[in-house]
Amino acid sequence: AQSVTQLGSHVSVSEGALVLLRCNYSSSVPPYLFWYVQYPNQGLQLLLKYTTGATLVKGINGFEAEFKKSETSFHLTKPSAHMSDAAEYFCAVSYTGGFKTIFGAGTRLFVKA
Amino acid sequence: EAGVAQSPRYKIIEKRQSVAFWCNPISGHATLYWYQQILGQGPKLLIQFQNNGVVDDSQLPKDRFSAERLKGVDSTLKIQPAKLEDSAVYLCASSEGQGENYGYTFGSGTRLTVV
Repeated sequence: AQSVTQLGSHVSVSEGALVLLRCNYSSSVPPYLFWYVQYPNQGLQLLLKYTTGATLVKGINGFEAEFKKSETSFHLTKPSAHMSDAAEYFCAVSYTGGFKTIFGAGTRLFVKA
Repeated sequence: EAGVAQSPRYKIIEKRQSVAFWCNPISGHATLYWYQQILGQGPKLLIQFQNNGVVDDSQLPKDRFSAERLKGVDSTLKIQPAKLEDSAVYLCASSEGQGENYGYTFGSGTRLTVV
């Protein structure tokens, strides 16, 4: 069965510091992996996705993520945090023929001035 | 392009009452999803439509929840009767294809409070 684990329900960084949000997945078949961001009182917005090909994926707002099959991970990073990055981030996984996308529990990112 | 539209944004009802939510997906998106997001948790799929047919409703509490997508465009989700544990944000999303590798576009959600 497919599942997603996000390590850390809350992450706090200083403005300008590296952002690292961790995501591990469980899948018996090659996965499709996604990161979404949710700002307060809004729906989820797709940040980036990995389907096939290059394992380092770049998304919007300067975020990127790397698919590491050996570690079953898809961690989200950004070199320098901005105050506007404060939000909740969700990792998600799906797979060919599976239709259903499964979301992690989310990680809330706080950015300190 | 216009996004996924949902209404109402907020709804407060008493337990045992009924409520309905409406969703209009992005034009041309064949696949539509309803998710339930309880505070502090990730979204959980309730039902998935492909055009006007149901693809997956395995996690829909069918004794109280129902959904339809007439004409393969707009969709409504209904709860009758509501329970306290139904308090959540109900998110509608759409995608171009089956969604496995497309990613979804979400609406802003309807925040339901059952008192």
